[in-house]
Amino acid sequence: DAMVIQNPRYQVTQFGKPVTLSCSQTLNHNVMYWYQQKSSQAPKLLFHYYDKDFNNEADTPDNFQSRRPNTSFCFLDIRSPGLGDAAMYLCATSRGLTQIAGEQYFGPGTRLTVT
Amino acid sequence: GNSVTQMEGPVTLSEEAFLTINCTYTATGYPSLFWYVQYPGEGLQLLLKATKADDKGSNKGFEATYRKETTSFHLEKGSVQVSDSAVYFCALISSLGGGGNKLTFGTGTQLKVEL
Repeated sequence: DAMVIQNPRYQVTQFGKPVTLSCSQTLNHNVMYWYQQKSSQAPKLLFHYYDKDFNNEADTPDNFQSRRPNTSFCFLDIRSPGLGDAAMYLCATSRGLTQIAGEQYFGPGTRLTVT
Repeated sequence: GNSVTQMEGPVTLSEEAFLTINCTYTATGYPSLFWYVQYPGEGLQLLLKATKADDKGSNKGFEATYRKETTSFHLEKGSVQVSDSAVYFCALISSLGGGGNKLTFGTGTQLKVEL
């Protein structure tokens, strides 16, 4: 009973070649998040959607964009990947609204390699 | 701003040993507190949580008590197993504008359990 699904699990792209990572959820949660996790580091929030409202973290590079066409799906687009963008990308969801409802459910992640 | 401090790893224990991973936090008010576990190559899984002072979260033999006097949420397990080998993240949650919630993570503590 997968709840947060990420595809693909492993993605290899070339330097500068656009890449899209996919996330879907069966929880019907209002909020979807994208995190970047580099080796041996804590996950870093890139942005989140509350329904269709997009919220960018102040330090997220412009190279990273996101789309949420409906409640179930959210995409992370990296327009021109650099070597420093190689990382695990984690998608998460929450019901939102309050801290109690804010428990986040994570997908298994997509490991991005840039060659 | 909010922050979470965890003890540095790796922590290496023999099977059946007692585990403590220290976590302290700095935050405004009384945020909800979480422990997440990340097994190799996988995403984050919620291990346990506590939403108010003196609450004890527990799951799979792990426990942590929300101590507001010491702003701590230390993770403990009485008898670890090889299968507990993973990275453990302490986190707190705070409200974002727009209805979402932001998880602030510690840097993670790697646990290695040996036979």
